[in-house]
Amino acid sequence: AQSVTQLDSHVSVSEGTPVLLRCNYSSSYSPSLFWYVQHPNKGLQLLLKYTSAATLVKGINGFEAEFKKSETSFHLTKPSAHMSDAAEYFCVVIFMDSNYQLIWGAGTKLIIKP
Amino acid sequence: NAGVTQTPKFRILKIGQSMTLQCTQDMNHNYMYWYRQDPGMGLKLIYYSVGAGITDKGEVPNGYNVSRSTTEDFPLRLELAAPSQTSVYFCASSYGRQETQYFGPGTRLLVL
Repeated sequence: AQSVTQLDSHVSVSEGTPVLLRCNYSSSYSPSLFWYVQHPNKGLQLLLKYTSAATLVKGINGFEAEFKKSETSFHLTKPSAHMSDAAEYFCVVIFMDSNYQLIWGAGTKLIIKP
Repeated sequence: NAGVTQTPKFRILKIGQSMTLQCTQDMNHNYMYWYRQDPGMGLKLIYYSVGAGITDKGEVPNGYNVSRSTTEDFPLRLELAAPSQTSVYFCASSYGRQETQYFGPGTRLLVL
């Protein structure tokens, strides 16, 4: 079965330092990849998406992600964390091999220390 | 433009009761989805629809039913509520199968 793995359930960084949230997926011929963010007591919002164009994708609020096919990874980064980045982040993969499967990672809670 | 709306926001059910969670979108999207989110977990796809009259099972369909009679509405039905169905339910829609999904605010369901 296809799978999506977010390697860290929690990531804690200091304000102003870089952020790295990791996502790996099971191999697929042509996946579509997304990062969504869920702020406390707020809805889910798209951060960025990869759908077979440039491998480095820029999203909102200074986030970006790089699709690495050889590593089956789609890690999310930001050069400098801000307090407002504290939220839950989800990696989402759509597998289009033999049939349509839409799978969410378990999420990574990003904690920002002052 | 309201986007995706869900009702109710919160509901308590007794075991064995039934209910329908409502979802409506006003963006003329073809695709609609129902998810559940358990504490500390990612979203699990229950059912999805690619257009009016067409629905398909997701990862966790057991205990649920859906229908899609119009482009706008995609209700989720729980026939015999069980404690395992205590969760937060999200409805979403998208223009295409690989496009951005837009989410409703969620329905918190507690089955006792």
